[in-house]
Amino acid sequence: GQSLEQPSEVTAVEGAIVQINCTYQTSGFYGLSWYQQHDGGAPTFLSYNGLDGLEETGRFSSFLSRSDSYGYLLLQELQMKDSASYFCAPRSEDKIIFGKGTRLHILP
Amino acid sequence: NAGVTQTPKFQVLKTGQSMTLQCAQDMNHNSMYWYRQDPGMGLRLIYYSASEGTTDKGEVPNGYNVSRLNKREFSLRLESAAPSQTSVYFCAGRQGSYEQYFGPGTRLTVT
Repeated sequence: GQSLEQPSEVTAVEGAIVQINCTYQTSGFYGLSWYQQHDGGAPTFLSYNGLDGLEETGRFSSFLSRSDSYGYLLLQELQMKDSASYFCAPRSEDKIIFGKGTRLHILP
Repeated sequence: NAGVTQTPKFQVLKTGQSMTLQCAQDMNHNSMYWYRQDPGMGLRLIYYSASEGTTDKGEVPNGYNVSRLNKREFSLRLESAAPSQTSVYFCAGRQGSYEQYFGPGTRLTVT
């Protein structure tokens, strides 16, 4: 079967760094994507890891450990506009499922 | 390029009515997806289509049917709507190995 775990909420201060963890269990794993969704909007792609290690895209980085079935999204220099929900999404061939999402609250 | 478009944006149905949600993309995506999103539940995969002419069940397919009419279009049909199908429905397309592009969503209420 498939399972996906990520924290439901995380709170951080503007300018700080926050890490959102994701553990998954899926057969035929290809890679792990991260998406951002603002209230009332559609999800938008942030990052992807097909191989173990760290991928960096501006203020956002994502990490994958295939042996641990674990990944995380790292957001640096937090801005108020980063207040949103973040989803990890493991891919199994053409099938892509999403977690329940992590709501990120940013305090000024 | 319009990207991924969905129609309608909003819809209210009575229990037992049927309707089709339309999705079209002009990004040459091979794979297309339908998800539903309910508060606190994240996005749940209803059906997906890896290529024109193929469809597969996702996590929550009951009560839905899909048609991959051609490479551009992937429709979702509710044959007999139920209040439990009240949700926001997102269509997405994927061309490369990972990045999905989402449409703006259809907000459906079943009374």
